[in-house]
Amino acid sequence: GEDVEQSLFLSVREGDSSVINCTYTDSSSTYLYWYKQEPGAGLQLLTYIFSNMDMKQDQRLTVLLNKKDKHLSLRIADTQTGDSAIYFCAEKAQNAGNMLTFGGGTRLMVKP
Amino acid sequence: NAGVTQTPKFQVLKTGQSMTLQCAQDMNHNSMYWYRQDPGMGLRLIYYSASEGTTDKGEVPNGYNVSRLNKREFSLRLESAAPSQTSVYFCASSPDGNSPLHFGNGTRLTVT
Repeated sequence: GEDVEQSLFLSVREGDSSVINCTYTDSSSTYLYWYKQEPGAGLQLLTYIFSNMDMKQDQRLTVLLNKKDKHLSLRIADTQTGDSAIYFCAEKAQNAGNMLTFGGGTRLMVKP
Repeated sequence: NAGVTQTPKFQVLKTGQSMTLQCAQDMNHNSMYWYRQDPGMGLRLIYYSASEGTTDKGEVPNGYNVSRLNKREFSLRLESAAPSQTSVYFCASSPDGNSPLHFGNGTRLTVT
């Protein structure tokens, strides 16, 4: 079945860029998503990319997709303390119907 | 702007007890979902309802039942709770199967 992997933890200094990485195994992925989860809250959609795109930029967020290597990354420019959260990568396979497969989440800690 | 509302926020059950987790959305979405979140494992889909009147099993349906009561409401029932069902449960909705999910704030369930 599908598998989505993320590193568990990332620590950066305020003002630096953060890069959160994700790998997936299903080559039929159609959409790939990044969600943010703050303590005690649900997941909030940050951005998503269709599988025929290489890059998507939205203000401080840049998503890069390397479909050949099945690698997705989320870059946060000028990281702020308010960006501290858990970030989840998720993918939707072509024949998966409504099902998303989530990675285990990367906890981003931003130090002042 | 309530979005997706889950009740209760917290619950403690003894092994063998039953309970129903409630979820309602006010966005007129067709699809609704129940996920569980366990440390380091991301979110796993329990059941989903692509549209009113339909329900389908997800990745981890055993020990759960669901009811799509109407377009707004999608409940999750544990008939005989087990310690392995200790988790945080998230309800989500989306306009259709290809759109991003909107999440509730979760129900933290502990089974002793």
